[in-house]
Amino acid sequence: GNSVTQMEGPVTLSEEAFLTINCTYTATGYPSLFWYVQYPGEGLQLLLKATKADDKGSNKGFEATYRKETTSFHLEKGSVQVSDSAVYFCALRETDSWGKLQFGAGTQVVVTP
Amino acid sequence: DAGVIQSPRHEVTEMGQEVTLRCKPISGHDYLFWYRQTMMRGLELLIYFNNNVPIDDSGMPEDRFSAKMPNASFSTLKIQPSEPRDSAVYFCASSAETGRYSPLHFGNGTRLTVT
Repeated sequence: GNSVTQMEGPVTLSEEAFLTINCTYTATGYPSLFWYVQYPGEGLQLLLKATKADDKGSNKGFEATYRKETTSFHLEKGSVQVSDSAVYFCALRETDSWGKLQFGAGTQVVVTP
Repeated sequence: DAGVIQSPRHEVTEMGQEVTLRCKPISGHDYLFWYRQTMMRGLELLIYFNNNVPIDDSGMPEDRFSAKMPNASFSTLKIQPSEPRDSAVYFCASSAETGRYSPLHFGNGTRLTVT
């Protein structure tokens, strides 16, 4: 079946540091890939997405590239801020099961001043 | 755009009581999802609807759980009777488009505590 594996948290960084959160997936077809972010006390919000191999999603300084050869979709940001402290979820949706968004376990990121 | 609205934000109840969680999707969205979030199991899809019709309820854990969508602007998730292991954050989400590219829009969740 489909699955999404994320690096475990928490990840603790200083402000302006470089952030990478690893995400790998298994899927039988050609899934779409997503990163969602959850701020404390809130629901998940879409951060970025990529729908085919080599696509790069980007938003708010975050980027992730859909790498089919390594089945990965790592999230990166060059210079984090305290406001980036949140839980980040990698997710996939298979080609023919669009309703079922498969989430990873989430990675908590803590950015200190 | 008011977003997906869930109520209540917090619910504390005793074991054996009935619990009803409510959701108002974004106007015009044809798809509605109920998720449960726990530390142990992460995010789990419980059920989703398309045009008010349940499409997949394979994630509903037990017969104690039921969900309805009487119209396009309202859905409920009911647990009867509730148990301590049902304690979790329950999220409702909606989506406007078909296809695998469309994102889900989540509400802020209902934190349920069953004592």
